[in-house]
Amino acid sequence: ETGVTQSPTHLIKTRGQQVTLRCSSQSGHNTVSWYQQALGQGPQFIFQYYREEENGRGNFPPRFSGLQFPNYSSELNVNALELDDSALYLCASSHPKLSTDTQYFGPGTRLTVL
Amino acid sequence: SQQGEEDPQALSIQEGENATMNCSYKTSINNLQWYRQNSGRGLVHLILIRSNEREKHSGRLRVTLDTSKKSSSLLITASRAADTASYFCATRPAGAGSYQLTFGKGTKLSVIP
Repeated sequence: ETGVTQSPTHLIKTRGQQVTLRCSSQSGHNTVSWYQQALGQGPQFIFQYYREEENGRGNFPPRFSGLQFPNYSSELNVNALELDDSALYLCASSHPKLSTDTQYFGPGTRLTVL
Repeated sequence: SQQGEEDPQALSIQEGENATMNCSYKTSINNLQWYRQNSGRGLVHLILIRSNEREKHSGRLRVTLDTSKKSSSLLITASRAADTASYFCATRPAGAGSYQLTFGKGTKLSVIP
């Protein structure tokens, strides 16, 4: 167990809807990253938050947005859902004073867009 | 985009045998990491090797890194049925401002009891 939790576990939405996914980081970790993993693929970096500021973004459109809260928990919001957004969404936290490059992943949220 | 490419895509071995997975990447890196994923669940960090290291060990795991060839290998010795999972290499690009990781597509390992 990494201590990183995500909710919900599974989610079904229809095209055009909006969704919010949540992540609770491991205690003391102030950096959180979000990844999208399509079936049979490796995770793709969406963005990263450090101390409530976006600190890097992958090749994802603006309808993917995020928030990080003072307690370092985080949200991923996706607007105007498309069928291709169906995937496993993973968050990962890290600690700057430990091995920053080691990321601790949550179990993921499986999103299905119909 | 996927930076790392694992090879083979799938590997099936008998329990007790060694499993070797390879990873190639395209750009200069700060470090390379290997992760394991069971059945579409979260990823578990296995081992990290920095760009100035050539080999690293952790228990039954041995990782090598050849920066001149932009490649890495993960060896799992004396495999067990519980090692059945997908294995991903992930790179942190050199000079990247953020700590994003770029993952490959993974190797699916099946260890037959």
